[in-house]
Amino acid sequence: DADVTQTPRNRITKTGKRIMLECSQTKGHDRMYWYRQDPGLGLRLIYYSFDVKDINKGEISDGYSVSRQAQAKFSLSLESAIPNQTALYFCATSDLERGTKGETQYFGPGTRLLVL
Amino acid sequence: AQKITQTQPGMFVQEKEAVTLDCTYDTSDPSYGLFWYKQPSSGEMIFLIYQGSYDQQNATEGRYSLNFQKARKSANLVISASQLGDSAMYFCAFFTSGTYKYIFGTGTRLKVLA
Repeated sequence: DADVTQTPRNRITKTGKRIMLECSQTKGHDRMYWYRQDPGLGLRLIYYSFDVKDINKGEISDGYSVSRQAQAKFSLSLESAIPNQTALYFCATSDLERGTKGETQYFGPGTRLLVL
Repeated sequence: AQKITQTQPGMFVQEKEAVTLDCTYDTSDPSYGLFWYKQPSSGEMIFLIYQGSYDQQNATEGRYSLNFQKARKSANLVISASQLGDSAMYFCAFFTSGTYKYIFGTGTRLKVLA
């Protein structure tokens, strides 16, 4: 079973609709992240959370909100979707691994979102 | 300001040859980590290799090695004996202890030719 899972994997929605993307992890990591990926722009950070009570905005948080329901679950919501939110969305987790891998991030498989 | 740059949008390499993907970064934080990820056409992000800023030796993971030149602030990925399955997008990223954030480059698309 995958360590970081995302649902749904693909979603088509209409402008103005509310949509939630969910992320679950079994790695036991405290830190979780949401990114969006657009062609030519790499990954950009939307929100991140270092534990259940700690939520922080990333560089492109406008139009998004998050909820950290438990250590293992971190959801991203688009309150009123718009076409320029069409992108590939990734959830990631990390934790300090002393030794050879530092604070490596591990990614979910991604959610492809199309807003019409 | 912290930033990371990948100057090669696309590269070609012949199967079984070695290839170097460039990555430069800029940070004033003395403690940081450098990462490379592979993104095949299926879309997932696969962790390849990590280098810590205080590591004395260049990191290696199988056919992947990271050519870390701290003074030049470069962290190039070297793939030896390229395989067709290496065709993918490759992202360089770094993380600093001061900001606890990761910054990703814009990626290099590698195509391995048979």
